[in-house]
Amino acid sequence: QKEVEQDPGPLSVPEGAIVSLNCTYSNSAFQYFMWYRQYSRKGPELLMYTYSSGNKEDGRFTAQVDKSSKYISLFIRDSQPSDSATYLCAMTGSLTGGGNKLTFGTGTQLKVEL
Amino acid sequence: ETGVTQTPRHLVMGMTNKKSLKCEQHLGHNAMYWYKQSAKKPLELMFVYNFKEQTENNSVPSRFSPECPNSSHLFLHLHTLQPEDSALYLCASSQGGTSGGTDTQYFGPGTRLTVL
Repeated sequence: QKEVEQDPGPLSVPEGAIVSLNCTYSNSAFQYFMWYRQYSRKGPELLMYTYSSGNKEDGRFTAQVDKSSKYISLFIRDSQPSDSATYLCAMTGSLTGGGNKLTFGTGTQLKVEL
Repeated sequence: ETGVTQTPRHLVMGMTNKKSLKCEQHLGHNAMYWYKQSAKKPLELMFVYNFKEQTENNSVPSRFSPECPNSSHLFLHLHTLQPEDSALYLCASSQGGTSGGTDTQYFGPGTRLTVL
């Protein structure tokens, strides 16, 4: 069993839709949860991170963590064609001290169509 | 230049060649990372350097050899690679040390490597 499971997609939605992206994980030591966005031919860029359980909102993006279910989600409201990218979840037990090991999901490819 | 840069962006090499990938970060960070990204697979951490010291070697074959001469530069030396080593190689950096805050990683654009 992989430590982090993520549906690779592709996921295709119409412009303006609410998008839900999800990951499940098995390691209960994970405390920090991140979402990265990767455009084609680019490196991943950090969208947001959440510590432990709860919600975090940033503009059109909301990250949710449910540690009891080992389940994390990223919601994108009013999706735009510019949101078309691969979304990677990542997690780690510690995010201080430098040299932290992140465990990534495979990424979900999202396409937002006009 | 800003952020994390990587050169070359594309590289094609034969199995007997020797080549090097270069990464430079302009963020004042102290930790640097090499990752391998293959299609349909999660990013695989290869090496970690914190304050120029290697702190992680994730069971990487010896045909990959990292070098970190200072906190701003990271190299990946390649020799006698196999076709299955073809992938996107990503460099990342983070604040590192005892920053007291969250040590988030920032990625470069990657080098697309093809081994013939």
